[in-house]
Amino acid sequence: ETGVTQSPTHLIKTRGQQVTLRCSSQSGHNTVSWYQQALGQGPQFIFQYYREEENGRGNFPPRFSGLQFPNYSSELNVNALELDDSALYLCASSSYPPSGRYYEQYFGPGTRLTVT
Amino acid sequence: LAKTTQPISMDSYEGQEVNITCSHNNIATNDYITWYQQFPSQGPRFIIQGYKTKVTNEVASLFIPADRKSSTLSLPRVSLSDTAVYYCLVGDGEAAGNKLTFGGGTRVLVKP
Repeated sequence: ETGVTQSPTHLIKTRGQQVTLRCSSQSGHNTVSWYQQALGQGPQFIFQYYREEENGRGNFPPRFSGLQFPNYSSELNVNALELDDSALYLCASSSYPPSGRYYEQYFGPGTRLTVT
Repeated sequence: LAKTTQPISMDSYEGQEVNITCSHNNIATNDYITWYQQFPSQGPRFIIQGYKTKVTNEVASLFIPADRKSSTLSLPRVSLSDTAVYYCLVGDGEAAGNKLTFGGGTRVLVKP
């Protein structure tokens, strides 16, 4: 069973640029969620994708967008980068309906984005 | 989702038992209590979930009193590798669409 993988591991961008982060979900999972984690804080929910459609969104502006592909992998796109976008971006996969416990998501190692 | 309150940090020593209490006064009837663990530079990891009374697995125990307004995560005989941030989450997974809402967590430092 392959776990959740994310790429790239680290990324440095300049304010105003655009970035695309990638996530491969765990085998057998059909739902992908993205979280932003600023230094010293808990992860904050950005949005979730199920069946290639956005299935809920947190308090993030429209310049944060995403995609889910038929193989359940996903991308997070951020346009017009701001300094405050510097954070660890986490992808988590799960199955819906849940095959076991609710709130059991499997997280990848994250992508560390630095905006200068 | 019910708001949760947990200590910001706790220190312990190897071999001791660590107990982290989470308050969730507004917990709803359908809410579950779930704990995640996060090591530095890694994503969070599900460790335990419960609804009432006591749940135990190979990693931890979760104690939930009858009124369910609080819960205690117990880590037996901690080692240095248990140094991590522990998050308490409370909610109805179905209604929330399985979306996780994290608070600030409790930073546990295990010392030699």
